[in-house]
Amino acid sequence: AQSVTQLDSQVPVFEEAPVELRCNYSSSVSVYLFWYVQYPNQGLQLLLKYLSGSTLVKGINGFEAEFNKSQTSFHLRKPSVHISDTAEYFCAVSERRSNSGYALNFGKGTSLLVTP
Amino acid sequence: KAGVTQTPRYLIKTRGQQVTLSCSPISGHRSVSWYQQTPGQGLQFLFEYFSETQRNKGNFPGRFSGRQFSNSRSEMNVSTLELGDSALYLCASRPSGDNEQFFGPGTRLTVL
Repeated sequence: AQSVTQLDSQVPVFEEAPVELRCNYSSSVSVYLFWYVQYPNQGLQLLLKYLSGSTLVKGINGFEAEFNKSQTSFHLRKPSVHISDTAEYFCAVSERRSNSGYALNFGKGTSLLVTP
Repeated sequence: KAGVTQTPRYLIKTRGQQVTLSCSPISGHRSVSWYQQTPGQGLQFLFEYFSETQRNKGNFPGRFSGRQFSNSRSEMNVSTLELGDSALYLCASRPSGDNEQFFGPGTRLTVL
């Protein structure tokens, strides 16, 4: 079974500062990794995904993440945050199940609060 | 293309009642998954349907069930509601052969 740990439940940061949201996973097989963002009263929006290939993945809204197999990490970064980035961020691992189905296994989420 | 739609957006029920939530996937997507989101447990996988068949199920009691229709629309049903069933229920659809799931806005269920 796979599990996902988001190391920080809350991350406060000032506008225009850089930010890193940390994610570690455990798995005995190859994984697909995702970062989703959730704004208040909305569903989840995909920021970026790692399936294979280059370990540095670029996503929407200026976010990027680096897959580190040896450290089993997939940390999310942004060089300069905006007030509008205030939201809940979820790291997820895609688990291939029987009958070719898929299920996302989510971390508990990190609340990013950007202040002026 | 229209995104994943879920109805209703908000629902209030009382303990012991049952509820049915609906999800319309993105056109062409045959896989529909359901997730429960609560402050305590976070996001948890409920089940996945593909071509009207339940393909996978999470660790939830039998009170939680679902089905998928020939047009890929899906419903989930919760019977004998408990206070702990209060949650945001998210539906996600996925194109065949792809990992990426597209989420709807969710249905907020409150059980009183």
